[in-house]
Amino acid sequence: DAGVIQSPRHEVTEMGQEVTLRCKPISGHNSLFWYRQTMMRGLELLIYFNNNVPIDDSGMPEDRFSAKMPNASFSTLKIQPSEPRDSAVYFCASSVAGFTDTQYFGPGTRLTVL
Amino acid sequence: GQQLNQSPQSMFIQEGEDVSMNCTSSSIFNTWLWYKQDPGEGPVLLIALYKAGELTSNGRLTAQFGITRKDSFLNISASIPSDVGIYFCAGTGNQFYFGTGTSLTVIP
Repeated sequence: DAGVIQSPRHEVTEMGQEVTLRCKPISGHNSLFWYRQTMMRGLELLIYFNNNVPIDDSGMPEDRFSAKMPNASFSTLKIQPSEPRDSAVYFCASSVAGFTDTQYFGPGTRLTVL
Repeated sequence: GQQLNQSPQSMFIQEGEDVSMNCTSSSIFNTWLWYKQDPGEGPVLLIALYKAGELTSNGRLTAQFGITRKDSFLNISASIPSDVGIYFCAGTGNQFYFGTGTSLTVIP
């Protein structure tokens, strides 16, 4: 199995630009999670989808962040406009069934906003 | 929200030594998981524990699900340089919680 696939692996952009991060979950997994990791705050859950439907987006920092899952094999996390404080590593993870099931993580996207 | 407390926060050990780290929570969990994160990579699942008291091994790694269901332990025997990384515990109750991490440095 290919595991969770994320792209790009690295993104450098200027403040104010739109950023789109992509994720392909493990085939057969029904739940998908977006996390952000920083030195200061550790790993934070941003949003969680179950069967392509957003279940909990309480971790999304503000309206500049949005996430979609148009089908079972693809999700995007968009930041518009980006700010320097958004610089972090963004991870996508998937599980077979929900929050209480074992989550498998992708390699992450390292985002730097100048 | 709920945080899992890991200790120690960091460890510096000589190659060949054994390593022990633990994770505690204030609430009961149904599952305990241990992940390792290498620099520039995502967390990789090492061991999953599903029952209180369960002791599971994966090569040189051994983990236990505490009897109280509020803690878990990870041991690494005969450490090698590639064991370097950050080890995270995670637990599932009504949600999925991540620990604060233990940074391991192995000195050759």
